[in-house]
Amino acid sequence: DTGVSQDPRHKITKRGQNVTFRCDPISEHNRLYWYRQTLGQGPEFLTYFQNEAQLEKSRLLSDRFSAERPKGSFSTLEIQRTEQGDSAMYLCASSLAGQGKGYTFGSGTRLTVV
Amino acid sequence: DAKTTQPNSMESNEEEPVHLPCNHSTISGTDYIHWYRQLPSQGPEYVIHGLTSNVNNRMASLAIAEDRKSSTLILHRATLRDAAVYYCILCFGNEKLTFGTGTRLTIIP
Repeated sequence: DTGVSQDPRHKITKRGQNVTFRCDPISEHNRLYWYRQTLGQGPEFLTYFQNEAQLEKSRLLSDRFSAERPKGSFSTLEIQRTEQGDSAMYLCASSLAGQGKGYTFGSGTRLTVV
Repeated sequence: DAKTTQPNSMESNEEEPVHLPCNHSTISGTDYIHWYRQLPSQGPEYVIHGLTSNVNNRMASLAIAEDRKSSTLILHRATLRDAAVYYCILCFGNEKLTFGTGTRLTIIP
């Protein structure tokens, strides 16, 4: 297993454009998380899935953000009408549901909105 | 979410042990104590976790106070590759992790 993969690694987009990021978790992990991280801060939780069900969304996840995990495997995070404040590192993590299991994070997608 | 308090930064000499403290006075009985670290331009990496007893793995040791209101991550022999931001996080079951700002560890050659 190659761990959690995120694509692309970097994305530069113009304000107002839509962007989509992909996350491929560890295959046997049934939980998948999205986080956002800005410079100097710890990662902030956005949303998570158990299999294909989206179980929790943060208040940070505005209407412009949508996440899917259609077959309980890979996930996509879409941002519509991007704003400069969306510039951040978007991190994906996966885990196996259970008591106190460790999470595996991907290397992230760095988004720059110009 | 129960909060943790960590020093903003610490320094340690290479090849010496490092003790990274974390206070979590509002921890509940079902909260696990997780430690992750993040190297520059990478996602966080799992280090260790525990509930009540001290834990050891190949990366580090976790010492948990008897009242569980504090814990210490121990790197037995620091190397330059251990320079990172270390996050202490309380997590109920396998729910979401809530990160603080962590401790930036600098290793001095």
